[in-house]
Amino acid sequence: EIVLTQSPGTLSLSPGERATLSCRASQSVSSSYLAWYQQKPGQAPRLLIYGASSRATGIPDRFSGSGSGTDFTLTISRLEPEDFAVYYCQQYGSSPRMYTFGQGTKLEIK
Amino acid sequence: QVQLQESGPGLVKPSQTLSLTCTVSGGSISSGSYYWSWIRQPAGKGLEWIGRIYTSGSTNYNPSLKSRVTISVDTSKNQFSLKLSSVTAADTAVYYCARGVVPAAWDYWGQGTLVTVSS
Repeated sequence: EIVLTQSPGTLSLSPGERATLSCRASQSVSSSYLAWYQQKPGQAPRLLIYGASSRATGIPDRFSGSGSGTDFTLTISRLEPEDFAVYYCQQYGSSPRMYTFGQGTKLEIK
Repeated sequence: QVQLQESGPGLVKPSQTLSLTCTVSGGSISSGSYYWSWIRQPAGKGLEWIGRIYTSGSTNYNPSLKSRVTISVDTSKNQFSLKLSSVTAADTAVYYCARGVVPAAWDYWGQGTLVTVSS
């Protein structure tokens, strides 16, 4: 089973700043199978990025994803007030055939 | 606009079977190259994938839950369902249903339903 480790656990930034969130895998992940989600309190997760770098429908271009192999990054170029939330990375592995999530990064207002 | 809605008991007794249904609206569950998943989240914790089903009936389950999980689909009702047997307090969580898109992400989610396991 592939384990995803996200860092930092909590990131304190101000609106307008740049946020860089990391997701490291315990073994190589196909870029096609790496996604990022945003979750706000009391809400379901929202797909932001799939295939490591493709934005989902309706996602603003201040969100971008990059990386390959075992290291992936979600970048928010200029934080808006509505971006403060918890972010999860997620991967799909073929052996065993299953999905796993990182433990999440909480992005909070400084 | 596709919408998913979970339904089922909010309280289940230990050792019993948790049963939830997800109703899909705004599109046919059989159309497109989608799969349908259940994901759960204990209060204050992260997300855990439970399993998925294609409308062909093909399933995959989280190995840690496989012995207790059954996911089924009823295309005539545009629904898919989750059964989790022999539940304990550790199964208390918000349960989400979601639509999976190739290659490997979920683009539409239900609002989630809290299931508490308690006597």
